[in-house]
Amino acid sequence: AQKVTQAQTEISVVEKEDVTLDCVYETRDTTYYLFWYKQPPSGELVFLIRRNSFDEQNEISGRYSWNFQKSTSSFNFTITASQVVDSAVYFCALSEARYNFNKFYFGSGTKLNVKP
Amino acid sequence: EAQVTQNPRYLITVTGKKLTVTCSQNMNHEYMSWYRQDPGLGLRQIYYSMNVEVTDKGDVPEGYKVSRKEKRNFPLILESPSPNQTSLYFCASSLLGGLAGDSYNEQFFGPGTRLTVL
Repeated sequence: AQKVTQAQTEISVVEKEDVTLDCVYETRDTTYYLFWYKQPPSGELVFLIRRNSFDEQNEISGRYSWNFQKSTSSFNFTITASQVVDSAVYFCALSEARYNFNKFYFGSGTKLNVKP
Repeated sequence: EAQVTQNPRYLITVTGKKLTVTCSQNMNHEYMSWYRQDPGLGLRQIYYSMNVEVTDKGDVPEGYKVSRKEKRNFPLILESPSPNQTSLYFCASSLLGGLAGDSYNEQFFGPGTRLTVL
């Protein structure tokens, strides 16, 4: 079974629209970390955020916000007022205490197309 | 400049011809890891290393070997490559493994190596 599921394969929006990327994870551990990474068309992987399982506070960073809900095992990512530069593949990832946080499980990614 | 470097960036080879993809980091990081990225599958971890001479399997280790003789280098070895190992490979490093706490959990990724096995 997939530990991290990103059900949205590809999303297209028009600039200035808000968009939410879904991430659902599966773990038996009570202590774990969740991550979001961005992969722009140039191919590099850019770290966006890390959240530990004991911190359910939502986080906002500029136009980006993250909603962590343990009750639904979700860690969703919202981009407000999207811009063309947000076009990228976004990956959600999980790291668990049982492996001392040394193993990482990535979702299959969501490709976001932001059109002008 | 702090970075993770990989060589080569592109490689086309034939089935069965041993190859090594090098990975080097200049940040004195203890933790290093290899991933492969395939369409529809995201990134999957191949091997990781918590320190010199300490390595462990990730999710998809079959057909790969690694070694960690020095802290800065973590080469990925394909002893007998096969077409199903055609993929985009990423090396990553972080200061320490996850146990150290929040600050040390961020992985820095290399630029990727696109491997084609014919």
